[in-house]
Amino acid sequence: NAGVTQTPKFQVLKTGQSMTLQCAQDMNHNSMYWYRQDPGMGLRLIYYSASEGTTDKGEVPNGYNVSRLNKREFSLRLESAAPSQTSVYFCASSVEGGSNTGELFFGEGSRLTVL
Amino acid sequence: SQQGEEDPQALSIQEGENATMNCSYKTSINNLQWYRQNSGRGLVHLILIRSNEREKHSGRLRVTLDTSKKSSSLLITASRAADTASYFCATFMNYGGSQGNLIFGKGTKLSVKP
Repeated sequence: NAGVTQTPKFQVLKTGQSMTLQCAQDMNHNSMYWYRQDPGMGLRLIYYSASEGTTDKGEVPNGYNVSRLNKREFSLRLESAAPSQTSVYFCASSVEGGSNTGELFFGEGSRLTVL
Repeated sequence: SQQGEEDPQALSIQEGENATMNCSYKTSINNLQWYRQNSGRGLVHLILIRSNEREKHSGRLRVTLDTSKKSSSLLITASRAADTASYFCATFMNYGGSQGNLIFGKGTKLSVKP
């Protein structure tokens, strides 16, 4: 009963390096999300995927790309990391999205530091 | 694009006391959700209340919703040290031409002292 699994849990990058955060869910959910959490800012939506094969921008998409590889997996890529991307990243999934979005299931987070 | 906003930002109480957190939002909603986040962990869903419901209970949690005031409250009764966490409300919001999504407030940090 893994739920939502994120890797890696911790990562330190230098400015300009690239990396991909991986997320997988085993609940057969249609919708998946990437949020970032910064002190005093709450959670902000970066990108989401309403269903397999679709992705769309959230509130703060600049500097990120995503891939919905299949129904289970949704990855977040930083092409050229910047110190402003130092944050805790959370992947989440739900049965469906849009205005009928119900309960979100979250991973444990990936803590990224960009030096 | 803040939709829900919790109040207070921080709350410190003694074990056994009740804790009340409030959430205000801006646009009409289908439902409002409350989540808990323990330090260093992911968010965990607590309760969902639909727009046609006024009150909902789950164990020691009681959530109310007042759509006329666009506000909700989360009451934790007989609090325990293990309730120490941040609590977030979340509501759906359309923005930027996309289909919209669940938007979280900045949270209330609850500290329950033994």
